[in-house]
Amino acid sequence: SAVISQKPSRDICQRGTSLTIQCQVDSQVTMMFWYRQQPGQSLTLIATANQGSEATYESGFVIDKFPISRPNLTFSTLTVSNMSPEDSSIYLCSVDPGQGHYEQYFGPGTRLTVT
Amino acid sequence: AQKVTQAQTEISVVEKEDVTLDCVYETRDTTYYLFWYKQPPSGELVFLIRRNSFDEQNEISGRYSWNFQKSTSSFNFTITASQVVDSAVYFCALSEVETSGSRLTFGEGTQLTVNP
Repeated sequence: SAVISQKPSRDICQRGTSLTIQCQVDSQVTMMFWYRQQPGQSLTLIATANQGSEATYESGFVIDKFPISRPNLTFSTLTVSNMSPEDSSIYLCSVDPGQGHYEQYFGPGTRLTVT
Repeated sequence: AQKVTQAQTEISVVEKEDVTLDCVYETRDTTYYLFWYKQPPSGELVFLIRRNSFDEQNEISGRYSWNFQKSTSSFNFTITASQVVDSAVYFCALSEVETSGSRLTFGEGTQLTVNP
């Protein structure tokens, strides 16, 4: 498994501003993922972030709105840009530690409220 | 396209009752993985189990057991002698190795409430 931390744990932001969420892993991993969980909903994959390549975004998510950085094998950031109340969600990062098992381990999440 | 269905939105039981959470999936891949995750009120997702498409053996871990049946595309989760601490949202998820690699598709989740 892997130990994952996220910062901030929660934030309240104003409409039109941007927030950068950090994800730190205690070991080197190739594959990291960012998910959104809207209130009372399931998890939706935003993008896959592999070190050394551009993030791959899922349908309905664009780089201008959710820019992602992956500077090394233990760290990634997700920015939520030009926020609106509809962006109020929990944002979670996860990692696949490899070894061919395909399970993912999740960070504690960032609870974002946009007013 | 892959799909995971958890038809039970909410389940409420009394402590010590057994409860089964249903999960039905759709995939065209022959190689895939199925997972169960627990999300307690704190919000963190906890990995419970992984099962690959070639292993239909049922698994038991303490009070938890899982029944994987490819013939019905189901991967059900049973909690025996439920406890209040089992109260959480439980998610079933699918990874299609051939077409999607590690990407996970989640079901809508089942909110389990265990009352004392």
